Amino acid sequence: GESVGLHLPTLSVQEGDNSIINCAYSNSASDYFFWYKQESGKGPQFIIDIRSNMDKRQGQRVTVLLNKTVKHLSLQIAATQPGDSAVYFCAAPRRGFKTIFGAGTRLFVKA
Amino acid sequence: ETGVTQTPRHLVMGMTNKKSLKCEQHLGHNAMYWYKQSAKKPLELMFVYNFKEQTENNSVPSRFSPECPNSSHLFLHLHTLQPEDSALYLCASSQASGTSGAWEQYFGPGTRLTVT
Repeated sequence: GESVGLHLPTLSVQEGDNSIINCAYSNSASDYFFWYKQESGKGPQFIIDIRSNMDKRQGQRVTVLLNKTVKHLSLQIAATQPGDSAVYFCAAPRRGFKTIFGAGTRLFVKA
Repeated sequence: ETGVTQTPRHLVMGMTNKKSLKCEQHLGHNAMYWYKQSAKKPLELMFVYNFKEQTENNSVPSRFSPECPNSSHLFLHLHTLQPEDSALYLCASSQASGTSGAWEQYFGPGTRLTVT
């Protein structure tokens, strides 16, 4: 079946470095892709989205890159801070109201 | 109160109990969702309501019964649960456009459910 998955279950970076979290998807039909952040004890929080007709979108300290040729997207976090420690999910909406979520990458930020 | 709220935050129940989870959204959205989140597994969509009408039931066992009295409130009624139902239950809401829910979702903090 269709899937949205992240490449690494965990990622450890030094504070101040840039983080790159990767995600692959199997179905090209999505018009959007979303990134969510889930901190411990909280629900997922929407970070940023990207339309399928875009290659890049920038937010505040975050950049999403979409490569439709290889069905891959990434979330880049600049100057990673301790507050960025969380689980990050990529997600793709499907027909109707379904959204397929990846399993998540846990980001650890070392001081 | 802002965003999406859920009560209770923690719940321990026996397999013969009946309990209900409550969700309320203050965002003016028309679509509401129940998800199950288990350790090391992707979020599992359980139910979706669009303008109070159920649009998705993702093959959820009948021991889970949703109720959506209006666009701001969503309940999940639980009865005769199994230990494998222990998980974090998340409520979310989003805008809705016709039959499409391709909008970002706003999640509550979840209810941590333990079935003993």
